Amino acid sequence: DIVMTQTPLSSPVTLGQPASISCRSSQSLVHSDGNTYLSWLQQRPGQPPRLLIYKISNRFSGVPDRFSGSGAGTDFTLKISRVEAEDVGVYYCMQATQFMYTFGQGTKLEIK
Amino acid sequence: QVQLVESGGGLVKPGGSLRLSCAASGFTFSDYYMSWIRQAPGKGLEWVSYISTGGFTIYYADSVKGRFTISRDNAKNSLYLQMNSLRAEDTAVYYCARRYDSWGQGTLVTVSS
Repeated sequence: DIVMTQTPLSSPVTLGQPASISCRSSQSLVHSDGNTYLSWLQQRPGQPPRLLIYKISNRFSGVPDRFSGSGAGTDFTLKISRVEAEDVGVYYCMQATQFMYTFGQGTKLEIK
Repeated sequence: QVQLVESGGGLVKPGGSLRLSCAASGFTFSDYYMSWIRQAPGKGLEWVSYISTGGFTIYYADSVKGRFTISRDNAKNSLYLQMNSLRAEDTAVYYCARRYDSWGQGTLVTVSS
């Protein structure tokens, strides 16, 4: 199984300031079709997960452009350019390169 | 818009069974592979099972293999998860997901005596 490791596990951020979350996979996420199926999900309190970013850097429909993804191979980053109050929640990286999806432990984003 | 509505959760005793359903709308259900993903209370996400568009390719997490069965009815735009021999550690909110891009609200399964 591919193990996904996120850092940090908790991120207190000031409103309007940037935030960054890292994710590392235990093996390359490059699929045989050439794509890298690394996604980022947001789970607000009491809500189901919501897809933010897919294939490393593509924003899903309706996702604000303050969210961006980057990386390659085994190292990936989610950045929020200016944190807003509605961004509070837990963020997960996940890989879908193998059909047996695996998820990071989650990073709790909270406002200072 | 894409809608996924899970149902069938509830309280069941260890060793018991439940059948979860997921009603899909707002997209061509038969064009998408589907998954079940669960989240134990206060914990992270765990993939449970995958089914291809036609239902011919199926995968399970080791933790549920031999106990859970995923299926779909494309004519009814529905996804199912038959859960047998339930254990306390199966207690979780179960989400159905279109690939991984759209998720339902989830249904809570509690396994307790």
